[in-house]
Amino acid sequence: NAGVMQNPRHLVRRRGQEARLRCSPMKGHSHVYWYRQLPEEGLKFMVYLQKENIIDESGMPKERFSAEFPKEGPSILRIQQVVRGDSAAYFCASSPRTATYNEQFFGPGTRLTVL
Amino acid sequence: QQPVQSPQAVILREGEDAVINCSSSKALYSVHWYRQKHGEAPVFLMILLKGGEQKGHDKISASFNEKKQQSSLYLTASQLSYSGTYFCGTEYAGGTSYGKLTFGQGTILTVHP
Repeated sequence: NAGVMQNPRHLVRRRGQEARLRCSPMKGHSHVYWYRQLPEEGLKFMVYLQKENIIDESGMPKERFSAEFPKEGPSILRIQQVVRGDSAAYFCASSPRTATYNEQFFGPGTRLTVL
Repeated sequence: QQPVQSPQAVILREGEDAVINCSSSKALYSVHWYRQKHGEAPVFLMILLKGGEQKGHDKISASFNEKKQQSSLYLTASQLSYSGTYFCGTEYAGGTSYGKLTFGQGTILTVHP
């Protein structure tokens, strides 16, 4: 049973370019969360998605960042016109989200470096 | 507001015990514990849902005190593999907070032979 998959694992972009990060949840999981981790810091919530719906995007910057989770295919976090401050590890987590429990399992992350 | 973890760092010798605390100023729905090694993804340890709930597997267990809005992670007879940064993630009760986790700043645990 494959875990959460993310690609690419490492991504290097120049300032002003676009970054696309992909996340495939665990089989049977329909809830996806994106978190950002700056170097030597904790994890910060960005966005929570279900298939074709954004449930909570309160942690995502209003400009340049967008996320989607289409009916078919992986969830995508898109960062337009990247800046040096976007350099971080971006993790997605998936959950089966039962009525009471919300265990979230993390993927290996994408480490974004902006030059 | 993020939960507050204490201590910030712990150094142990193999076989010693440790307790890591996670306190919230807001009402909690659940507490999740993770361990992260440098350069790797956080690994899920356990989730506690109800006030007073306790869980454990192997030599790692946790409790959730609903009155105090506090959870504690207990590591007994520590092994070298326990080294890493431990994070608590809290899910707040009610409203639009449901679902997302707010993480503490982490506790760095180092186990020496």
